[in-house]
Amino acid sequence: DTAVSQTPKYLVTQMGNDKSIKCEQNLGHDTMYWYKQDSKKFLKIMFSYNNKELIINETVPNRFSPKSPDKAHLNLHINSLELGDSAVYFCASSHRDHSYEQYFGPGTRLTVT
Amino acid sequence: KQEVTQIPAALSVPEGENLVLNCSFTDSAIYNLQWFRQDPGKGLTSLLLIQSSQREQTSGRLNASLDKSSGRSTLYIAASQPGDSATYLCAVRNFGNEKLTFGTGTRLTIIP
Repeated sequence: DTAVSQTPKYLVTQMGNDKSIKCEQNLGHDTMYWYKQDSKKFLKIMFSYNNKELIINETVPNRFSPKSPDKAHLNLHINSLELGDSAVYFCASSHRDHSYEQYFGPGTRLTVT
Repeated sequence: KQEVTQIPAALSVPEGENLVLNCSFTDSAIYNLQWFRQDPGKGLTSLLLIQSSQREQTSGRLNASLDKSSGRSTLYIAASQPGDSATYLCAVRNFGNEKLTFGTGTRLTIIP
C-alpha cells in the first residue's frame, strides 16, 4: 500500500547512456514532482506536472525529459548521462484539496561512472 | 526569490531533553510551510504542514510554529528519543508557485 513508489531504487550506469526512472502514486493526487538531492543533501525542484500538464521546469538541461502518461504516473528519462547527474532523485505528489501537502517517494540513487 | 535557511546544520542532545529546530525564510508571502524528516538513505516523511493563516500545528511530541512577519518557523520536539535522530528539513510554498523551496536541513542526533 505504498503511497508514492519509485523504480529502480538504485541505478548504476556509464556516461553517455540513456536511463529512465519511474514514479507512481496511489493517493489520488493531481500534481507530481521530481526533485534532485545533490551530494550535499540539498533538495531542488526539477519538474512538476498537474493533471499531466507541465507547470514547472526549473532550468534543467534538455537531456532530462519528464513524461506523465496519466495523473498517477510521472517518469523521468535522462539522455546522454554525465558524471554530474549522479544524485538521488525523489518523486513527490500533492493535491490542492489537501493544502498541497507533498508526499515523497523513497528515492532513486543514480550513480554515473 | 525565496531562500530558506536552517541553523544549526547539526545538533546533538541527550535523550529526554526538549529541543527546538529553527527555519527562516526571506519572502513572507508564503502559502504554507512543511516540516519533513529524512532518515539516512530514505525518502522524506512529512511531519507537519502549517498554513500561512495558522500560528502553530501539533502532532504528538512535535509542535511547529510560524511567524510570517519575522520569516521564522520553529519545530519543537518534546522528550527527545534516539528514534528522533534524523535530518529535519523545512520547506516553503509561496503563493502562485507550485514548488517547495527547501532549507539546508538540521542533522539531529539524540544521545542515549
